[in-house]
Amino acid sequence: DTGVSQNPRHKITKRGQNVTFRCDPISEHNRLYWYRQTLGQGPEFLTYFQNEAQLEKSRLLSDRFSAERPKGSFSTLEIQRTEQGDSAMYLCASRGQKWEETQYFGPGTRLLVL
Amino acid sequence: QQQVKQSPQSLIVQKGGISIINCAYENTAFDYFPWYQQFPGKGPALLIAIRPDVSEKKEGRFTISFNKSAKQFSLHIMDSQPGDSATYFCAAADSGNTGKLIFGQGTTLQVKP
Repeated sequence: DTGVSQNPRHKITKRGQNVTFRCDPISEHNRLYWYRQTLGQGPEFLTYFQNEAQLEKSRLLSDRFSAERPKGSFSTLEIQRTEQGDSAMYLCASRGQKWEETQYFGPGTRLLVL
Repeated sequence: QQQVKQSPQSLIVQKGGISIINCAYENTAFDYFPWYQQFPGKGPALLIAIRPDVSEKKEGRFTISFNKSAKQFSLHIMDSQPGDSATYFCAAADSGNTGKLIFGQGTTLQVKP
């Protein structure tokens, strides 16, 4: 499979619990993005990695959110002490070298916080 | 200045008709303008993209028109088909920076048979 994969595809959790999502980018893509999409809206940028370095974080990414990309391969997004407002689709996208502009999106992880 | 405004919010077109979706941006640093198509429960998929050095780009039934002076761009879907029924997002990026995409609010297109 040469596409971006995300796991799990769906997650239901209770308010206050921690959740972690995983993104596996297209192999050899050194650029990785996380976005959040709420119902009826366009995706909003959360954070950006170039290789293992996290180079930009949106102000949307509160202290409860943390993202990592160890060894510049897969990435994880953790949300601590989830709130109902965190319910959304979390999308991961990867991109190749600087001159390759296309971002390829994964299927997303749908989070529902009860 | 980071916003991308998209209209209309929803669009109904008869099969074979032309679907037109418009977007406007403010940030003159944006230099990459893609359009994404999204089906329910799926991630966005790139349809077509343009850079501001050209005023039009066509790929099959999909055409982007770009007006740099007005800071506007639009997607035209010719011979619209029921299978085109989806949500369409315009986006913009400053490719010299991180390349993060700033998305419009989306347009839900329904093509009636």
